Amino acid sequence: AQSVAQPEDQVNVAEGNPLTVKCTYSVSGNPYLFWYVQYPNRGLQFLLKYITGDNLVKGSYGFEAEFNKSQTSFHLKKPSALVSDSALYFCAVRAPFNKLIFGAGTRLAVHP
Amino acid sequence: NAGVTQTPKFQVLKTGQSMTLQCAQDMNHEYMSWYRQDPGMGLRLIHYSVGEGTTAKGEVPDGYNVSRSTTEDFPLRLLSAAPSQTSVYFCASSLLAGISGNTIYFGEGSWLTVV
Repeated sequence: AQSVAQPEDQVNVAEGNPLTVKCTYSVSGNPYLFWYVQYPNRGLQFLLKYITGDNLVKGSYGFEAEFNKSQTSFHLKKPSALVSDSALYFCAVRAPFNKLIFGAGTRLAVHP
Repeated sequence: NAGVTQTPKFQVLKTGQSMTLQCAQDMNHEYMSWYRQDPGMGLRLIHYSVGEGTTAKGEVPDGYNVSRSTTEDFPLRLLSAAPSQTSVYFCASSLLAGISGNTIYFGEGSWLTVV
């Protein structure tokens, strides 16, 4: 069965520093992986996805994610964090019947 | 371009009451679904539909009903609200063609409290 793990409940980063939000997955077959961001009292916004091809995927707001098949990981990264990046981030994997299996979420706090 | 629209945004119910959360999308998406979000548990699928006239159960369907009488609308009904149904509810939709690579788009959420 497909599953997603986000090992960190919270990540704290200083503004201007690089950030990484970790995600590992377990799937049978080819993985289709997604990152979403949720700002307070808002819905989920799509950031980026990996379907096939280049292991480094670029997305919205300067975010990128690196797909690593051998480590079954899909970590979200940004070279220079902004205070406005503070939000809840979800990693998800596509399951049969178009379902998304979500991780528990990681809260990113960027401090000035 | 409205995308996925949910109403109401906030609702307080008494135990035993029924209500309907509305969801509409204007992107002509075949696939629509409802998730609930609870702290530390991510989002869990309640029900989904792959087209007009179809519905199917997800991971946590008990206590909820859905119908898909049009392509645009996918209402979620709470039959007899319980405190365990206090949660944030998200409607989502996507195309089905090229299914695995399609992005699923989410509404803004409905915050429901059952007292």
